[in-house]
Amino acid sequence: EVQLVESGGGLIQPGGSLRLSCAPSRFTVSNNYMTWVRQAPGKGLEWVSVIYSGGSTYYADSVKGRFTISRDNSKNTLFLQMNSLRAEDTAVYYCARVGVSGSYHLDYWGQGTLVTVSS
Amino acid sequence: DIQMTQSPSSLSTSVGDRVTITCRASQSVSRYLNWYQQKPGKAPKLLIYAASSLQSGVPSRFSGSGSGTDFTLTISSLQPEDFATYYCQQTYNTPWTFGQGTKMEIK
Repeated sequence: EVQLVESGGGLIQPGGSLRLSCAPSRFTVSNNYMTWVRQAPGKGLEWVSVIYSGGSTYYADSVKGRFTISRDNSKNTLFLQMNSLRAEDTAVYYCARVGVSGSYHLDYWGQGTLVTVSS
Repeated sequence: DIQMTQSPSSLSTSVGDRVTITCRASQSVSRYLNWYQQKPGKAPKLLIYAASSLQSGVPSRFSGSGSGTDFTLTISSLQPEDFATYYCQQTYNTPWTFGQGTKMEIK
C-alpha cells in the first residue's frame, strides 16, 4: 500500500521558519510530480506548490517568495521550507503524489501535519 | 488565476437519493478537472480525474462529466458513507485551484 508520511509541523511564532517533510513508501519522489495542499481550520482546500519530476516548481501567489518546495533524492523525501510565517499560514499541510495520466490529479495523500502560527 | 465555483455549497440529502454537484471554471480547463471527497479529520480522497475517469477502487455510483468550463459530479444512489465534503480542482494551469467545497449532510 502506498503511504506518505508528513512531519515537521508544530507551533511557530509569526515571522519564524519551519520545514515540513514528506516521505513516501512504494514510489520514488524524483520520478513523480509532488505537491503540497493546505487547509486552514474549518476552511476549504488550498493548493500551495508543486515540483515536477524534471525539477520545475510552481507556487500559489499567497506563498510565493516565502515557501520553497524541494526534494532530496538520496532520502526519497519531499520538503516544504516555510519562511516569514504569518497567522494566515496556520493550516493542516498535506503532501500528495500527482498522477499524470489524463490530467494532473492527486492520487495519494499523506495524513497531514498541523502548522500553527501564533505568538 | 482560474476560479472554480461549486454549487450548491451545501446539500441536505437522504440515503438512496441521486445527487449532482456542479463545478464551473472561470475559463476553459479542457478536461483537467478532478473531484475529491473529504471526511472530517481525514485527508481528501480522489474520486474522479480527467473529468470522467473513475479512480481505482471508487464505487461505480460516482460519475463525472463535462469539459471546458462546466462539470458535474453525480452520485447515483447515496450511501451512508457518502456524507462528506466534495471538492473540484482544476490542474490545467498553475496555480491549481479548488472549488470552495460542497458539504453533503443527512436530511
